[in-house]
Amino acid sequence: QKEVEQDPGPLSVPEGAIVSLNCTYSNSAFQYFMWYRQYSRKGPELLMYTYSSGNKEDGRFTAQVDKSSKYISLFIRDSQPSDSATYLCAMTFRENTPLVFGKGTRLSVIA
Amino acid sequence: DAGVIQSPRHEVTEMGQEVTLRCKPISGHDYLFWYRQTMMRGLELLIYFNNNVPIDDSGMPEDRFSAKMPNASFSTLKIQPSEPRDSAVYFCASSGEGQKPHSGSYTQYFGPGTRLTVL
Repeated sequence: QKEVEQDPGPLSVPEGAIVSLNCTYSNSAFQYFMWYRQYSRKGPELLMYTYSSGNKEDGRFTAQVDKSSKYISLFIRDSQPSDSATYLCAMTFRENTPLVFGKGTRLSVIA
Repeated sequence: DAGVIQSPRHEVTEMGQEVTLRCKPISGHDYLFWYRQTMMRGLELLIYFNNNVPIDDSGMPEDRFSAKMPNASFSTLKIQPSEPRDSAVYFCASSGEGQKPHSGSYTQYFGPGTRLTVL
């Protein structure tokens, strides 16, 4: 079993829809959870960063971490065509240690 | 700040040739990571450095791969000899206290990557 599982999609939604992206993981020692966005032929860029369990909101984006279920989510409200990208979940044990990534979910938002 | 800089952006070479990938981390960052991204395996760590010293190279596939960080502003990843299965996108990322990110601390910032094709 891979340490971090993420449905690769592709996921296609109409503009304005609410998008839900998810990852599950197996190692309960993970403490830091991130979502990166990667546009085609670009490097990953940090979208959301959460320590331990709980929710964090930033504009149209909400990240949730449920450590008891080993499950993390990213919600995108009022999705826009510019949100079309691959979304990678990532996690690690301590700060400044290597990230373990999911394989990414490709999202297309259709105008 | 210009962010993490990688060169070249694209590299096409023939099997058996030596390939050198270069990375300049964000100024002030004291951690540097090399990752490789493929369709089959996603993003995986190859090696990382702290204060120019290699900390964990367990992700380096085999002896054909080597990485150095001679100073705080430069790192190289070398493949010799290259093989077709090395074809991938190689990313460099840096983190540290030199530049506080917009959310959270010690976030890893990625460069644009080097797309390597070995024929």
